[in-house]
Amino acid sequence: GAVVSQHPSRVICKSGTSVKIECRSLDFQATTMFWYRQFPKQSLMLMATSNEGSKATYEQGVEKDKFLINHASLTLSTLTVTSAHPEDSSFYICSSNRRTLQETQYFGPGTRLLVL
Amino acid sequence: SQQGEEDPQALSIQEGENATMNCSYKTSINNLQWYRQNSGRGLVHLILIRSNEREKHSGRLRVTLDTSKKSSSLLITASRAADTASYFCATEVAGANSKLTFGKGITLSVRP
Repeated sequence: GAVVSQHPSRVICKSGTSVKIECRSLDFQATTMFWYRQFPKQSLMLMATSNEGSKATYEQGVEKDKFLINHASLTLSTLTVTSAHPEDSSFYICSSNRRTLQETQYFGPGTRLLVL
Repeated sequence: SQQGEEDPQALSIQEGENATMNCSYKTSINNLQWYRQNSGRGLVHLILIRSNEREKHSGRLRVTLDTSKKSSSLLITASRAADTASYFCATEVAGANSKLTFGKGITLSVRP
């Protein structure tokens, strides 16, 4: 199956710093990437949809200035958590689907963020 | 907002038994997908069933879809300890352009 990678896999940072998370599709072109966050023992909540070459579409309640998304190429999308606070601690997961097979989404392994 | 609701929330069975998990949703969908997540890891796509399909099989997995009841079931036959994980249903809502909405998930424990 298709491979999506995320980097870093886990990050610990101080409150007030910004953290960048990368999501890469390794063997296919991804016109669309999705960013989710997941709190412990809870479901995935979609944060935003990232489209290559255009602005991301954010879900209701997600601050676009807080969670900056850049989808600069067909294989890379980045999520930057700006001025992170402890409540931003979560598991962030990206996914993408192939340009030619839109239905199935391939998920990255996730990034565990802990803000102290 | 969450579209899918799975039940039960937790399921514990003996190795070799079958596990049945159910998912209900609220709006019209293009397709419904089941995913598996091991603790602290990413999601693995298991199976997709389109709105015009009623049943699909993949190995030990069997998925049914009843659009009139807005519900789906995932059956894992001859379960193994390695099937222990959380299982999520996700719906692609009609007109939502590939966007998925996930249910709360079911925690399956298979005792060896």
